[in-house]
Amino acid sequence: KQEVTQIPAALSVPEGENLVLNCSFTDSAIYNLQWFRQDPGKGLTSLLLIQSSQREQTSGRLNASLDKSSGRSTLYIAASQPGDSATYLCAVFDNYGQNFVFGPGTRLSVLP
Amino acid sequence: GAGVSQSPRYKVAKRGQDVALRCDPISGHVSLFWYQQALGQGPEFLTYFQNEAQLDKSGLPSDRFFAERPEGSVSTLKIQRTQQEDSAVYLCASSFRTIGAINEQFFGPGTRLTVL
Repeated sequence: KQEVTQIPAALSVPEGENLVLNCSFTDSAIYNLQWFRQDPGKGLTSLLLIQSSQREQTSGRLNASLDKSSGRSTLYIAASQPGDSATYLCAVFDNYGQNFVFGPGTRLSVLP
Repeated sequence: GAGVSQSPRYKVAKRGQDVALRCDPISGHVSLFWYQQALGQGPEFLTYFQNEAQLDKSGLPSDRFFAERPEGSVSTLKIQRTQQEDSAVYLCASSFRTIGAINEQFFGPGTRLTVL
């Protein structure tokens, strides 16, 4: 059974810092991996989708990498801003199941 | 264009009541997913529809949970005889393609269910 973990559980940084969020999954036979942002009381907003054949995706200040063989993905946020404060979730779509398996999330606070 | 919408946004039910949660996916999206998200945790899969066919319901926690999508668009998640442990946010997501293809999911805002 696929399991997804995220480290750290919570992170607080001053504005302007670059930061890395980590996601690990136990079964490397994945179809794709998606990073989401969730604001309090809101649904999930898709940030980046990485196919299994890709190694990274970039969107603005965000860069996500994927290392399938080691079961890891990282989300890099450059020049963090207070508006980046949210919970960041990663989810993998594996080759055997028919749904996304989510990690528990990293709660990010960017202090002005 | 409209995204995924869900109603109601908030629902308070007394233990034992039945509730119905609605999801309107993005028009034309073939796949529809329901997830349950407990406080402080990531969403957990409940069930999946491809058009009107419910292809996977392995995540439904008990036979009190029932989902349908009769015309392949709007979906309803029904919970019978609600229990306190059913309190959670219920998220709906839709995707343009079917399982096995490139598959980005778009989520609705969720319905927060509180069972007293």
